[in-house]
Amino acid sequence: AQKITQTQPGMFVQEKEAVTLDCTYDTSDPSYGLFWYKQPSSGEMIFLIYQGSYDQQNATEGRYSLNFQKARKSANLVISASQLGDSAMYFCAMREVLYGNNRLAFGKGNQVVVIP
Amino acid sequence: DAMVIQNPRYQVTQFGKPVTLSCSQTLNHNVMYWYQQKSSQAPKLLFHYYDKDFNNEADTPDNFQSRRPNTSFCFLDIRSPGLGDAAMYLCATSRDLGGQGSYEQYFGPGTRLTVT
Repeated sequence: AQKITQTQPGMFVQEKEAVTLDCTYDTSDPSYGLFWYKQPSSGEMIFLIYQGSYDQQNATEGRYSLNFQKARKSANLVISASQLGDSAMYFCAMREVLYGNNRLAFGKGNQVVVIP
Repeated sequence: DAMVIQNPRYQVTQFGKPVTLSCSQTLNHNVMYWYQQKSSQAPKLLFHYYDKDFNNEADTPDNFQSRRPNTSFCFLDIRSPGLGDAAMYLCATSRDLGGQGSYEQYFGPGTRLTVT
């Protein structure tokens, strides 16, 4: 069963506008972590933001914020004031524990293109 | 700067010819991961080393092997590459000492493998 769901089609965003990327997850573990990574066309995976399941406040990192709704099991990424360099694939991931080891389960990603 | 390094960035190999991809890190992290990522797909975990302990994913083909001679280096060996093994291979590291923590994974720039 898919643990991380990202269903939005490719998105075009106007420069300087905000964009929200949807992510829902499925777990029965009370302790988990949620990550967003950015992958530009060059291929490297760049860590953006992290939210722990017990964190009381939504995570923020510069222009990135995570809208964490625990009851709905959603962890949407908001990018404010989009820049041309934000054009990339964005992956939501959940930390899970399997056989005592921490692993990441990735969603299928959201493609974002920022247009001037 | 502490980082994860992958060499080479681009590798071309012939069908059936063994190939080795390398990953090194200066972060002194105890966990190292190898992912395979095909075009427009999420990264797929192949295996990881938790310290010296090797953890293979159940669906990783026997064609893929790994070695970790010391904390800093990890190698991915593909014994007989097929056309279907053409992909981006990503190495990642994390510090996982148990207890609470984000266990964020830091990724290298990847090696793009072409099989001719």
